[in-house]
Amino acid sequence: EVQLVESGGGLVQPGGSLRLSCAASGFTFSTYGMSWVRQAPGKGLEWVSVISGGSGNTNHANSVKGRFIISRDNSKNTLYLQMNSLRAEDTAIYYCAKGVSYSDWHFDYWGRGTLVTVSS
Amino acid sequence: EVVLTQSPATLSLSPGERATLSCRASQSVGSYLAWYQQKAGQAPRLLIYDASNRATGISARFSGSGSGTDFTLIISSLEPEDFAVYYCQQRSNWPLTFGGGTKVEIK
Repeated sequence: EVQLVESGGGLVQPGGSLRLSCAASGFTFSTYGMSWVRQAPGKGLEWVSVISGGSGNTNHANSVKGRFIISRDNSKNTLYLQMNSLRAEDTAIYYCAKGVSYSDWHFDYWGRGTLVTVSS
Repeated sequence: EVVLTQSPATLSLSPGERATLSCRASQSVGSYLAWYQQKAGQAPRLLIYDASNRATGISARFSGSGSGTDFTLIISSLEPEDFAVYYCQQRSNWPLTFGGGTKVEIK
């Protein structure tokens, strides 16, 4: 059974940093693309970052480019999102999602999400 | 950026009725469009990928069609558990984008 479990969310002040983790199980982690998708309170879904399987090519939304870094540790079956220079508008539930295949950016499994609140 | 416009914003229907949801792209995305269902307090669930392929475990009452800029999700006969918000998402161009969602509510 595929499982994705996010952690690392919490309350952080504007300008601060946070690292999210997503522990994956039930599939061959290294061979699938992975992504972070966020949802501000009461709003729709917004793609944040992706990392491909294998070589780990990355791509980020313009809204987080230069501030967020996605990475993965295939030996630990874990996905990360390093978030720096956080802003109030980054407040959201952050979901970890598994790509349908190596670099197929539709997402067939999602975690339950972790809440990030940026506020003073 | 590819803008996905979903319509209607809200669809009020009764159980057993047919639901037709639309997603229009600002430029062609080929067949690279997916549909997700999200219930309150839950993560999204993939229903359809690449326009018309049902995801694993998804009921046959969900069907997707379209290509280019116009896409449709049909729920043939609404079950009580189908009342939720539905999002479309394209993977043809960077950045990946989602539509604003259609809420299917009980009439």
